[in-house]
Amino acid sequence: AQTVTQSQPEMSVQEAETVTLSCTYDTSENNYYLFWYKQPPSRQMILVIRQEAYKQQNATENRFSVNFQKAAKSFSLKISDSQLGDTAMYFCAFTRGFTSGTYKYIFGTGTRLKVLA
Amino acid sequence: DVKVTQSSRYLVKRTGEKVFLECVQDMDHENMFWYRQDPGLGLRLIYFSYDVKMKEKGDIPEGYSVSREKKERFSLILESASTNQTSMYLCASSPPNRNQPQHFGDGTRLSIL
Repeated sequence: AQTVTQSQPEMSVQEAETVTLSCTYDTSENNYYLFWYKQPPSRQMILVIRQEAYKQQNATENRFSVNFQKAAKSFSLKISDSQLGDTAMYFCAFTRGFTSGTYKYIFGTGTRLKVLA
Repeated sequence: DVKVTQSSRYLVKRTGEKVFLECVQDMDHENMFWYRQDPGLGLRLIYFSYDVKMKEKGDIPEGYSVSREKKERFSLILESASTNQTSMYLCASSPPNRNQPQHFGDGTRLSIL
């Protein structure tokens, strides 16, 4: 079965510090896509960052970057200079393809991050 | 700006009722999804649709059905609501390319009494 594991249910970080959220996944596919989503309290889930598995270079979006280790099937998210607005639930996900040509997303159980003032 | 709109933010229903959750997207996306979100379980896929009138079961379809009569609208139906269906329900849409992210609605918090 293809799964996504987020082993840290909750984390906290001081404002302006750096924090890393871990994610491991299991797939037999060679070409897939990985995502980190952010869900602020009582607000909409939004995309933080995306990584294509065939690209070795780690994706970066402003203060957010990933450490993608394909052989280890690891996809961690690093948040630099943490801000109070980063307080949210973070979900790791990847897309799984079907023979029909459709695909679906597999999500982890989430990490609740609290940024402390 | 892209928009996925769920008809209700909060909904309270009684056991045994037939419940409809509506979702509309304005991005002309082919794919639409219904998830339920429960603490410690993450997002679990109930159903998804890759075209009008086309659907596939997700991981937890039991007790649910869906309808997609128009491209922009995807409805989730609880045939006979039960208390274990109390949850947060999220709708999402995406283009057909699997490298594209999903766009989510605000969610419907459904309570079954």
